[in-house]
Amino acid sequence: NAGVTQTPKFQVLKTGQSMTLQCAQDMNHNSMYWYRQDPGMGLRLIYYSASEGTTDKGEVPNGYNVSRLNKREFSLRLESAAPSQTSVYFCASSAPTGWQETQYFGPGTRLLVL
Amino acid sequence: QKEVEQNSGPLSVPEGAIASLNCTYSDRGSQSFFWYRQYSGKSPELIMFIYSNGDKEDGRFTAQLNKASQYVSLLIRDSQPSDSATYLCAVGSSASKIIFGSGTRLSIRP
Repeated sequence: NAGVTQTPKFQVLKTGQSMTLQCAQDMNHNSMYWYRQDPGMGLRLIYYSASEGTTDKGEVPNGYNVSRLNKREFSLRLESAAPSQTSVYFCASSAPTGWQETQYFGPGTRLLVL
Repeated sequence: QKEVEQNSGPLSVPEGAIASLNCTYSDRGSQSFFWYRQYSGKSPELIMFIYSNGDKEDGRFTAQLNKASQYVSLLIRDSQPSDSATYLCAVGSSASKIIFGSGTRLSIRP
């Protein structure tokens, strides 16, 4: 059981370039999430997907798009990267714990936009 | 006012002592509360969750919740150097909405 996997681990982009961050989970979870983490800011939700075929905006969606390809995979796309998108990106999936979804995180992607 | 507040630290605690980490939240409708540990350069990992007022113990960890005061804490007994990490408090007000605090950096000194 690999849990939540993310690729790539590191990426350097130039301003204006595009890229897709990949995330996959093998825990049969319905819900998946993309967060960014910046120093002193904690984790901020970019987008989430409650089930296959559905996506919703989180706190900081501007400049990003997502695709829930199937139950396992949830990708995050930067169409035109900006230096403000330099961050560490975490994907998570969740399972119900009582009524609340408990989240499990991937190892992260460190992105630098020059 | 941030929705979930934590003291950024660093909190320095001698080995073997009790480390006390605190978190306050603004949404009175919050129903679930989580503590995550994050080592430098790694992803957050879940330590505990708590839903009801009072204490919940798991090994050396105890989560305490006081909904009236909108306060949740994490106690770590017999602190070890391996406990040195950033601890993230997270608060859920609906099944899919979870807000994270910015974390408290804990350092256990030998």
